[in-house]
This record gives sequence, structure tokens and C-alpha cells, in this order.
Amino acid sequence: AQSVTQLDSHVSVSEGTPVLLRCNYSSSYSPSLFWYVQHPNKGLQLLLKYTSAATLVKGINGFEAEFKKSETSFHLTKPSAHMSDAAEYFCVVNLQAGTALIFGKGTTLSVSS
Amino acid sequence: GAVVSQHPSWVICKSGTSVKIECRSLDFQATTMFWYRQFPKQSLMLMATSNEGSKATYEQGVEKDKFLINHASLTLSTLTVTSAHPEDSSFYICSARAVLDSYEQYFGPGTRLTVT
Repeated sequence: AQSVTQLDSHVSVSEGTPVLLRCNYSSSYSPSLFWYVQHPNKGLQLLLKYTSAATLVKGINGFEAEFKKSETSFHLTKPSAHMSDAAEYFCVVNLQAGTALIFGKGTTLSVSS
Repeated sequence: GAVVSQHPSWVICKSGTSVKIECRSLDFQATTMFWYRQFPKQSLMLMATSNEGSKATYEQGVEKDKFLINHASLTLSTLTVTSAHPEDSSFYICSARAVLDSYEQYFGPGTRLTVT
């Protein structure tokens, strides 16, 4: 069963406009949730994480995400896109402490000038 | 923050040869390391979970005799691709779980393997 679903494979925005990358998860427990970014031919960089503390999580580079248990969602947002935000974004879930992370299929964010 | 390194970052080998990839946690001890594979324009897929001092646990469909994993110390895990074939060409990424932090894992920069 799919544990994490990224609803859009590709999102295109104009520079300066808001960004919304959608993610839904399925879990019987309260999972830990993460967003990672990967620039072309680069490794993964952690943007932010949720581990059962505040439901609104602020990350690096102006990104934030809100954990909504009732909607089983963890959408990533940014008020104003920058050209450097163009990359692949992965929503990731950790169902149980100590186990491997489960990656969504990824969302490619394109930013046009 | 915790740093994980991988070596080499990029390797080209001939079909039939073996390649060893190292994953090191530089400033923390990691009882568990994970190996992922990422094909072009795809997501990361877990290959195996490596625990220090014990045999690795492989995911379904991953050949343990082809992808040899050794986790000999709390800071080093190695992945050896034996008898490599062109279809093994991929981006291999490791992550390490710090002993005192149960949820967060720290990723290495990845190793790009090209088999000719």
C-alpha cells in the first residue's frame, strides 16, 4: 500500500508567485513527515520535518508545511517562488522510528521568469 | 549538523567488474544505515537496511549476492556491486540514522555509477 502520495508530478509557477506542492500520507499511527529537495545531479537536502510537535512547520528557504491529521495531508508551501527553487521535491514518511524512510514519487517544480 | 559522506561521488566501470561504494558518518555514530537507488527522473527506492555488526536486510527484489553490504563499524557501511551490468547504472544514495535521534536520517551526497 502506498504510504505517501504526491498529487502532482509537475508544478509550474512564475517567479514571485506562491508555491503549493501537495502530499497525502496513509498511516495507522502518527508518522514523522519530511520534505526533501534535490537539485539536478545533487544529493538530498532536508527542507523541514514534522515529528508530532507544532503542526505548522517552518523550514529553510522560506518553505513551510502544515500537518493536517484530519486530511492526512502535509502540503509544502512558499509565499513567493524564486528561480533557484526549481528542483525535485520529495515528500517522505517515516512510519516507525528507526525504520527506513518511504519516499513519494516526487514533484518537479519549474519556475519561470 | 550531522554529515554523511560517500566515496566515490562518481564512477565508471566496465561490465562484469565490481565496484565498492563507501558511506561514512563523519561526526556521529550510526547504528543503522540505509542504501537507496535512484534511476533517472525517478524517486528513491530502498535497497537494504544495514545494521552495524549484523547482516543487512534486503528489500524484495534486491539480489543480496549482487549488492553486498558490509557495516563493519558505527561510522562506515559499504555497498559492493558485483559483476556490474549496464542496468545497474544508477544513483546510489546512503543515509545514516544517528543513535540518539530515532527519526531523522542524514543523507550522503550520492554516488553515480555508470556501467559500460
